[in-house]
Amino acid sequence: TQLLEQSPQFLSIQEGENLTVYCNSSSVFSSLQWYRQEPGEGPVLLVTVVTGGEVKKLKRLTFQFGDARKDSSLHITAAQPGDTGLYLCAGAGDSNYQLIWGAGTKLIIKP
Amino acid sequence: ETGVTQTPRHLVMGMTNKKSLKCEQHLGHNAMYWYKQSAKKPLELMFVYNFKEQTENNSVPSRFSPECPNSSHLFLHLHTLQPEDSALYLCASSQDLVPGELFFGEGSRLTVL
Repeated sequence: TQLLEQSPQFLSIQEGENLTVYCNSSSVFSSLQWYRQEPGEGPVLLVTVVTGGEVKKLKRLTFQFGDARKDSSLHITAAQPGDTGLYLCAGAGDSNYQLIWGAGTKLIIKP
Repeated sequence: ETGVTQTPRHLVMGMTNKKSLKCEQHLGHNAMYWYKQSAKKPLELMFVYNFKEQTENNSVPSRFSPECPNSSHLFLHLHTLQPEDSALYLCASSQDLVPGELFFGEGSRLTVL
């Protein structure tokens, strides 16, 4: 059974600080997606990483896929209150239509 | 309207009630999904439809009954639910079966009394 573990589960920091969220597994994934879910909304895709070692940047957000394609990280620089939300990672594994989901990291950025 | 819309946004029902959740996508996608989201747990895939045909039923109890009359509409019929079924039910669509991008609706918050 493929699993994705996200850490930390919860993070509350001040505006302007940096943070990193991790998504780890013992399984290899063909690709990995990161979603953000704001309160009262559905998840929205931020990025998809496909190649081992790949780094993608989305403004102040930096996403990295591990060399072995078993893990990924999301780094936010100078966090803003608008970054508040639930961050979910999801890996494409053995099944053609099942993503393996992490339990999420709830991030709160205080002004 | 654009994207994926779900109704109702909130639903409270007793254990003996029968209700339905509705999802409509305006993206021209071929695949639609029902997910269950509970606090601090990974999203649970319930049902997958591709070109109106059910391709996956993840051992979901029969008290949940999906219906996909066409590639734009998806229903989840609910009956004789249990309190542990209280959760956020998310509908999603994708152009083809994953691992492509999923487009989610805002969800239906279900409370079973």
